[in-house]
Amino acid sequence: AQSVTQPDIHITVSEGASLELRCNYSYGATPYLFWYVQSPGQGLQLLLKYFSGDTLVQGIKGFEAEFKRSQSSFNLRKPSVHWSDAAEYFCASYSSASKIIFGSGTRLSIRP
Amino acid sequence: NAGVTQTPKFQVLKTGQSMTLQCAQDMNHEYMSWYRQDPGMGLRLIHYSVGAGITDQGEVPNGYNVSRSTTEDFPLRLLSAAPSQTSVYFCASSPLGSTGNTIYFGEGSWLTVV
Repeated sequence: AQSVTQPDIHITVSEGASLELRCNYSYGATPYLFWYVQSPGQGLQLLLKYFSGDTLVQGIKGFEAEFKRSQSSFNLRKPSVHWSDAAEYFCASYSSASKIIFGSGTRLSIRP
Repeated sequence: NAGVTQTPKFQVLKTGQSMTLQCAQDMNHEYMSWYRQDPGMGLRLIHYSVGAGITDQGEVPNGYNVSRSTTEDFPLRLLSAAPSQTSVYFCASSPLGSTGNTIYFGEGSWLTVV
């Protein structure tokens, strides 16, 4: 069965430091991959998505993600985090029959 | 431009009670779905629909019913609430026709079953 794994439950980084959130997927064909962000008490906002083509995808709020088929990964990166980036981040993959499967999420805390 | 609207935002139920979470979208999207979000488990798909009159089960359908009589509305019914159904529920919609279309989420419904 298709699955999405986010191995890090909670990450803390200092403000201004770089960030990488990990995501691994299992899917035989080319996956369609997403990163969503959820602020406390809010719904989910799409950061970026990958369908095909350039494996480095740019998103909103200065985020980017790189699709690596050889590693079955779609890691989210940001060169310099801001306190407002503290939130929960979800990686997701499009399955067949219009189902989206989500990872369990990574909570990001920012150290002043 | 309302997008996806969920009601109620907060609800407390007693075990055994029934209730309906409402979801409406004004974007003429064919695809609608319900997820529940629990700590450490991400979002899990409960039910989904690819058009009016068509529904199907997701990962965790037990204890929930859905119907899709119109394109706009996709209510989620809890038949006999159980404490295990305490969760945050999200409704989502997207157009069909091109896999990978952006999914739009409602703001969530916080449900507590006591």
